[in-house]
Amino acid sequence: EAGVTQFPSHSVIEKGQTVTLRCDPISGHDNLYWYRRVMGKEIKFLLHFVKESKQDESGMPNNRFLAERTGGTYSTLKVQPAELEDSGVYFCASSQDRTFSETQYFGPGTRLLVL
Amino acid sequence: AQKITQTQPGMFVQEKEAVTLDCTYDTSDPSYGLFWYKQPSSGEMIFLIYQGSYDQQNATEGRYSLNFQKARKSANLVISASQLGDSAMYFCAMRGLTGGFKTIFGAGTRLFVKA
Repeated sequence: EAGVTQFPSHSVIEKGQTVTLRCDPISGHDNLYWYRRVMGKEIKFLLHFVKESKQDESGMPNNRFLAERTGGTYSTLKVQPAELEDSGVYFCASSQDRTFSETQYFGPGTRLLVL
Repeated sequence: AQKITQTQPGMFVQEKEAVTLDCTYDTSDPSYGLFWYKQPSSGEMIFLIYQGSYDQQNATEGRYSLNFQKARKSANLVISASQLGDSAMYFCAMRGLTGGFKTIFGAGTRLFVKA
């Protein structure tokens, strides 16, 4: 069984440009989460999808970030326009159920550098 | 509010020895789950071990065990017989009802295993 995959693994863009990150969850996992870790800080929650619906987007930093999950399969996270402080590692995770005991399986992350 | 504290930014251990990575947490949830993840230099987040707040026994998974002391709100990870491949970043994390099932992470502890 394939794990969570993310694309690209690395992205270097200039301030003001747009970047789109993609996450493919484990097949059959309805719950998909985005997290990010900016330089030296804790990993922070961004948002949570249940199938194609946004269940919780309380962690989204501002309206420059747009997440979608059309059809309830893969998800994209678009940053437009990117700012320097958006640099960090963006993780995607998925789980089958939404309980506190359910393990969330993480992807390898996308390293974003905004210059 | 939920919070995870990892007070050891870095730890050294001699190969084949045991090491304890500290984690304390704060939550008002009556039920919650505690997790440890490993992040090697390659960047992926690997799930290691889970402890439920109502579990009577400490969780164990191979060389990993979780020293859970509920009254002290601590969930320390013990790695026995350290191997060079254990060198990585380790994150303690928590999930509970109050947080909407989003995972709250600590700042991480970087473990160095010496040959």
